[in-house]
Amino acid sequence: QKEVEQNSGPLSVPEGAIASLNCTYSDRVSQSFFWYRQYSGKSPELIMSIYSNGDKEDGRFTAQLNKASQYVSLLIRDSQPSDSATYLCAESSGTYKYIFGTGTRLKVLA
Amino acid sequence: DAGVIQSPRHEVTEMGQEVTLRCKPISGHDYLFWYRQTMMRGLELLIYFNNNVPIDDSGMPEDRFSAKMPNASFSTLKIQPSEPRDSAVYFCASSYSGTGLYGYTFGSGTRLTVV
Repeated sequence: QKEVEQNSGPLSVPEGAIASLNCTYSDRVSQSFFWYRQYSGKSPELIMSIYSNGDKEDGRFTAQLNKASQYVSLLIRDSQPSDSATYLCAESSGTYKYIFGTGTRLKVLA
Repeated sequence: DAGVIQSPRHEVTEMGQEVTLRCKPISGHDYLFWYRQTMMRGLELLIYFNNNVPIDDSGMPEDRFSAKMPNASFSTLKIQPSEPRDSAVYFCASSYSGTGLYGYTFGSGTRLTVV
């Protein structure tokens, strides 16, 4: 049974700080990884995707992938109260069948 | 682009009744997914279609659940008979294979309450 593990949180950070969200996965053949943001009562929306080891930056967001350690993370720089949401990690082993973690709730304190 | 459209947004029904959830994917998308989200289990994939054909229904919890995709612009998820443990938010999502594995676009979801 493939699994994606996330700390449920809440992770509280002050406004302007860096928020670091972590995710581990069990399937060594996992190829693609995704970070989704979900506001309370809303649907998940895609923030970042990453396929290769290393870092991928998009604005204030940086995704980091380490396949040897089966670890993927999302850094949010200059965190804003509007970033307060649940962040879902998902993985795919080459198909469209994604496995989602249960999410980490982030609270950015003004 | 109107996005993925789901209806109804909210559904309250009595145990034993039939429930039908509807989804219109983004035009041109060839993959369609049905997910269920609960606090305890998170997002669970129930079934997905490619070009209207069911590819994997291993997540469908039991025979009470069925899904159809009669054409490229419409899909239904039916629960008959419904039970209180089916209460959850049901999301439909779609994706286009031409962009590779780039992630899904989710609809707004249907919040189902079975009393």
